[in-house]
Amino acid sequence: DSGVTQTPKHLITATGQRVTLRCSPRSGDLSVYWYQQSLDQGLQFLIQYYNGEERAKGNILERFSAQQFPDLHSELNLSSLELGDSALYFCASSGLWGTEAFFGQGTRLTVV
Amino acid sequence: EDQVTQSPEALRLQEGESSSLNCSYTVSGLRGLFWYRQDPGKGPEFLFTLYSAGEEKEKERLKATLTKKESFLHITAPKPEDSATYLCAVGGKLTFGQGTILTVHP
Repeated sequence: DSGVTQTPKHLITATGQRVTLRCSPRSGDLSVYWYQQSLDQGLQFLIQYYNGEERAKGNILERFSAQQFPDLHSELNLSSLELGDSALYFCASSGLWGTEAFFGQGTRLTVV
Repeated sequence: EDQVTQSPEALRLQEGESSSLNCSYTVSGLRGLFWYRQDPGKGPEFLFTLYSAGEEKEKERLKATLTKKESFLHITAPKPEDSATYLCAVGGKLTFGQGTILTVHP
């Protein structure tokens, strides 16, 4: 158990809908990362927050947004969902910038 | 922009047959190189962090080494339970390579 908690584990929704994925980082970790992993694809970096502020941004679609709250948990919002958004979404957390990150077990999103 | 290339894409070994996986990287200021193991449908599991050229880390049958341009993950006498995708990542925002899919046959 990495100590990073993601909910829900599975999510099935229809095209055009909006969903929210939640991540609770390890105790004491200030940094949260979000990644997308499509079938047979690598981990694509979406966005990173550090202590509530956006730190780095990857190829995150405009339909996607995220935030980190004062209690350090983070949410990834996906809207106007398309079939191609079906993927595993992982959250990871780390302490200081540039140190190892620990991953949650992911949310499997299926858009039908 | 940080870039990571892993080779080979897939590696099939017999149990006990040692080998190495490669991770080549370009990064603006290495803050750390990280190795992970990922089982299908699971989150990546952290293995090692390497910070400077010449550094080595070991854990059971795995040993990671680092040079200025690449890292190697050496697997000694692998077992079937070592079968997984091995990923390396660099940089503050963790740019990942595509991974090496390792299959160890009994």
